[in-house]
Amino acid sequence: GAVVSQHPSRVICKSGTSVKIECRSLDFQATTMFWYRQFPKKSLMLMATSNEGSKATYEQGVEKDKFLINHASLTLSTLTVTSAHPEDSSFYICSAWTGEGGTEAFFGQGTRLTVV
Amino acid sequence: AQKVTQAQTEISVVEKEDVTLDCVYETRDTTYYLFWYKQPPSGELVFLIRRNSFDEQNEISGRYSWNFQKSTSSFNFTITASQVVDSAVYFCALRRSGYALNFGKGTSLLVTP
Repeated sequence: GAVVSQHPSRVICKSGTSVKIECRSLDFQATTMFWYRQFPKKSLMLMATSNEGSKATYEQGVEKDKFLINHASLTLSTLTVTSAHPEDSSFYICSAWTGEGGTEAFFGQGTRLTVV
Repeated sequence: AQKVTQAQTEISVVEKEDVTLDCVYETRDTTYYLFWYKQPPSGELVFLIRRNSFDEQNEISGRYSWNFQKSTSSFNFTITASQVVDSAVYFCALRRSGYALNFGKGTSLLVTP
């Protein structure tokens, strides 16, 4: 089946530094990928829609300058958390659709970010 | 507006009991897709089922079954003869027009021996 690979699975960074998270579709092309954020014991909230070759679409309330999204190829989208602060600590997970008409959503393994 | 409500925050059962996880959705779309995902402690999301709005047949997969009722806007999930490995958070989700998913708040299921 289709696989979405996300890297790294865990990262600890110092406050003020930037962290890049990669999301790859391994056996299919994804013109659109989605980034979600999940706080502990909470639901997944859509942060942004990543579009290959164009700007990402951010959900209301998500700071586009803090969460930079780049979708440079049909198999790779990256999320960079810039100038990270402890409140950015969270679980980030990406997804992409496959199947005719987009009938199946596959998720990466997720990245647990801890900012100290 | 599209919304998914999972009213049960936490459920605890003893192994071999049956358990039903409720999901109620709201949408104005006539065509829509509903999903259930399992999230074990490791965090990854495991796809369980997809159901489109035109297919009201209930589905059974092993110990798992789903009851889709458009009349009540519900898509409930039942685990028969629960096992400890079923312990996880279960999310019901509704696909938006742009293909992103609106997730419910999730139901944390704990199955004890």
